[in-house]
Amino acid sequence: ELKVEQNPLFLSMQEGKNYTIYCNYSTTSDRLYWYRQDPGKSLESLFVLLSNGAVKQEGRLMASLDTKARLSTLHITAAVHDLSATYFCAVVSPRTSGSRLTFGEGTQLTVNP
Amino acid sequence: DGGITQSPKYLFRKEGQNVTLSCEQNLNHDAMYWYRQDPGQGLRLIYYSQIVNDFQKGDIAEGYSVSREKKESFPLTVTSAQKNPTAFYLCASSIWGATEAFFGQGTRLTVV
Repeated sequence: ELKVEQNPLFLSMQEGKNYTIYCNYSTTSDRLYWYRQDPGKSLESLFVLLSNGAVKQEGRLMASLDTKARLSTLHITAAVHDLSATYFCAVVSPRTSGSRLTFGEGTQLTVNP
Repeated sequence: DGGITQSPKYLFRKEGQNVTLSCEQNLNHDAMYWYRQDPGQGLRLIYYSQIVNDFQKGDIAEGYSVSREKKESFPLTVTSAQKNPTAFYLCASSIWGATEAFFGQGTRLTVV
């Protein structure tokens, strides 16, 4: 059974600081996704990582994937209040195709002035 | 505009009632999915469908039923057998085998 674990689950940080969210998964998968969710809202796609060593950046967020270590990171650079949200990683279930996703529990990020 | 539309946004159910959540997409996607989200938790897969007239159970299918009579539509029925249905329900769609799923705005179901 595929398990996806994120840490930390709660993160409170000051504006301007850097931090990394980690996402570990238990079985082989070469597709990993990062989503953002604002309170009471749907999921917004941030990054799609499709291969070992993939790195993608958008603004103050950078995501990477190490399939050998079964680890993805979401790095936040010089955080701003607008980044406050819950961030989920999700992995495609092995031995299936398509987008059947297994999600981590989410990391609730609060950026304080 | 292309997208996924879920309705209603909020839904209240009495004990013992069945309710149906609507999900429609005009993205021409083959695959559609239903996820459940409980407070402070990630999403869990209820059912998914790769093509019309075919669907598969996900991880938490008990107490739910679906149909896929049209490519554009994938309604979810929460039956009275689902003992704890209060949750946020998200529908998604994708091209089967493609890299990304797109999510609707969600339906918040509350049992009263």
